[in-house]
Amino acid sequence: RKEVEQDPGPFNVPEGATVAFNCTYSNSASQSFFWYRQDCRKEPKLLMSVYSSGNEDGRFTAQLNRASQYISLLIRDSKLSDSATYLCVVTVRSQGGKLIFGQGTELSVKP
Amino acid sequence: EPEVTQTPSHQVTQMGQEVILRCVPISNHLYFYWYRQILGQKVEFLVSFYNNEISEKSEIFDDQFSVERPDGSNFTLKIRSTKLEDSAMYFCASSSAGAGTDTQYFGPGTRLTVL
Repeated sequence: RKEVEQDPGPFNVPEGATVAFNCTYSNSASQSFFWYRQDCRKEPKLLMSVYSSGNEDGRFTAQLNRASQYISLLIRDSKLSDSATYLCVVTVRSQGGKLIFGQGTELSVKP
Repeated sequence: EPEVTQTPSHQVTQMGQEVILRCVPISNHLYFYWYRQILGQKVEFLVSFYNNEISEKSEIFDDQFSVERPDGSNFTLKIRSTKLEDSAMYFCASSSAGAGTDTQYFGPGTRLTVL
C-alpha cells in the first residue's frame, strides 16, 4: 500500500467551480500534514498545513480525519491561477523531518 | 524574502561521471534535505542533514551518493558514478527545525540529465 495516496487526476474545472482533493495515508504514526502546490517543472511550495480541527485560508479549506487517515483540500471559487499539481504530504513521528509525498493531483482551471 | 538557491539549474552528464549539485539554504536554517523527482513521478526523500551529519537517508541514497556542508553556506549532493536512472529533478530544502512540523522551503531544483 502506498504511504500517501491521492485521487488520480487530472481535474478539469471551469473558473468559479469548487473542487475537492482527497488523500489517504497508511502510517497511523503520521504526525504532520500539509498540502503543497507544484507548478510545472517547478519546486513544491507549501500551500497550507492541515490541523486536526480543520483550517481555512481564504478560498482554501483543509480537513484532517485521523481515525480514517484521510486528508482533504477544498478550493472554492477556483481561479485560472489555481492550475497546478496539488501534493498531499505527511511526516511520521519516528522519521524526523522527512516529507512523504503523494503522487499529486493535477488541476486545470479553464476560462 | 529569504530563499533557497541551487546551481546549476540544468546539468547534463555522461553515464559514469561524477556530478556535484549545489545548494545554498536559507541562512538561519539548521536542517537540510535533498529530494528528487523523476519526470512524471512523485517527489522522493533522499537524505536529511543536521549538525554536520546525516540524520536520515532513504534506500535510494546508496553508496553512490554523499552530502557535505563544506562551508557555512553551501550544502552539496555528490553522485559519484551517475547512472541513466539518476536523471531527475533534484530539490534542496531547508528548515529552521527538524521535527517534521516546521516548514521546509525548497530551492528551484537542478535538472540532471544522464546520457
